[in-house]
Amino acid sequence: GAGVSQSPSNKVTEKGKDVELRCDPISGHTALYWYRQSLGQGLEFLIYFQGNSAPDKSGLPSDRFSAERTGGSVSTLTIQRTQQEDSAVYLCASSPTHRPIGEQYFGPGTRLTVT
Amino acid sequence: GEDVEQSLFLSVREGDSSVINCTYTDSSSTYLYWYKQEPGAGLQLLTYIFSNMDMKQDQRLTVLLNKKDKHLSLRIADTQTGDSAIYFCAETISGGSYIPTFGRGTSLIVHP
Repeated sequence: GAGVSQSPSNKVTEKGKDVELRCDPISGHTALYWYRQSLGQGLEFLIYFQGNSAPDKSGLPSDRFSAERTGGSVSTLTIQRTQQEDSAVYLCASSPTHRPIGEQYFGPGTRLTVT
Repeated sequence: GEDVEQSLFLSVREGDSSVINCTYTDSSSTYLYWYKQEPGAGLQLLTYIFSNMDMKQDQRLTVLLNKKDKHLSLRIADTQTGDSAIYFCAETISGGSYIPTFGRGTSLIVHP
């Protein structure tokens, strides 16, 4: 079946502009995660959604970052007033359930470049 | 606190074995994972090990866990050029949020 998809695959934006990144998880997966991968860095957790529960936003680096998940499916990560340090690959993952061995299925990522 | 460390690069000759190492700091780790990321793609789970295990083997992959030293390794036998990728070690913590903490990744380069 279809895997996790993300759009756009690449985004170049000017400093100060807002951007929206989209994630389509695997159908039926209740858990959805956003990560940021900067050059030479590991994956930095941003936010996690599980079903209808309140999201875990503990990883968001500033209040310029927000995310929502509509209808328990598609998620959008919004970055307001982008800064150059926001340049990174943003990865989305989904999982059938949020358990220790909940294998996370990753999308290909959106490469964001802020000029 | 949580911290997962890996060496950044490993270069091996095709046909040799590769050993990718990882250290972690939290003694209450529950599961430890190895993910593979090929260029332009997302991460793919290769294998995982529960913290009460010492070893897990899956075809060409062998995972060794030394819980005393908090050291995890991934051995790839008969390494092929298709194994060239970035390999991430990750852990989840007992009683925690089960959101994995990832290392920075080890770039494996396989040359003929």
